[in-house]
Amino acid sequence: NAGVTQTPKFRVLKTGQSMTLLCAQDMNHEYMYWYRQDPGMGLRLIHYSVGEGTTAKGEVPDGYNVSRLKKQNFLLGLESAAPSQTSVYFCASSPRGPTNQPQHFGDGTRLSIL
Amino acid sequence: AQSVTQLGSHVSVSEGALVLLRCNYSSSVPPYLFWYVQYPNQGLQLLLKYTTGATLVKGINGFEAEFKKSETSFHLTKPSAHMSDAAEYFCAVSPSNDYKLSFGAGTTVTVRA
Repeated sequence: NAGVTQTPKFRVLKTGQSMTLLCAQDMNHEYMYWYRQDPGMGLRLIHYSVGEGTTAKGEVPDGYNVSRLKKQNFLLGLESAAPSQTSVYFCASSPRGPTNQPQHFGDGTRLSIL
Repeated sequence: AQSVTQLGSHVSVSEGALVLLRCNYSSSVPPYLFWYVQYPNQGLQLLLKYTTGATLVKGINGFEAEFKKSETSFHLTKPSAHMSDAAEYFCAVSPSNDYKLSFGAGTTVTVRA
């Protein structure tokens, strides 16, 4: 029962570097989400996807891009990392259907930008 | 638009004591309400959810929450705290016509022996 798997678990970047975070889910869920978690601020939605080939902006999308080329994968990209993007990033997924479906979360990627 | 307020960023309780975590929300449409728990270095796990029907909702690990529409609240309780309850707890809301969640800032629970 893998559920939602995030890769990598930890990463340290220098300002200006780029990287991609990978999220994979094996539950055949239609919806996928990327959040960032910062102390005292809860989780904030960065981008989300309602299906393969579709993406949309969330609450804090600036500085990030996403792609959903395959239904099971949702990639989060940082083109030019900034110290303000130091955070813990969580991916989640949920099935299509009634909007009361809970989201399933990965274990997070801890990203530090120096 | 909806917002979620969790009163108290840290709560400390003695083992065996009542745990009470407060959550208030604002929503323009009837909401669905969730409580999630996050253990150190892990993702979020669903504790319980309210969608429709009975306003007292029972979840895992002995937790329950009551939806009070008149007070726009969804407080989480557990009658007797256990050391394993030490974690961060998040209240989340989604409008009934949307699947996106809005999270509160979280409450960290510590349990004293």
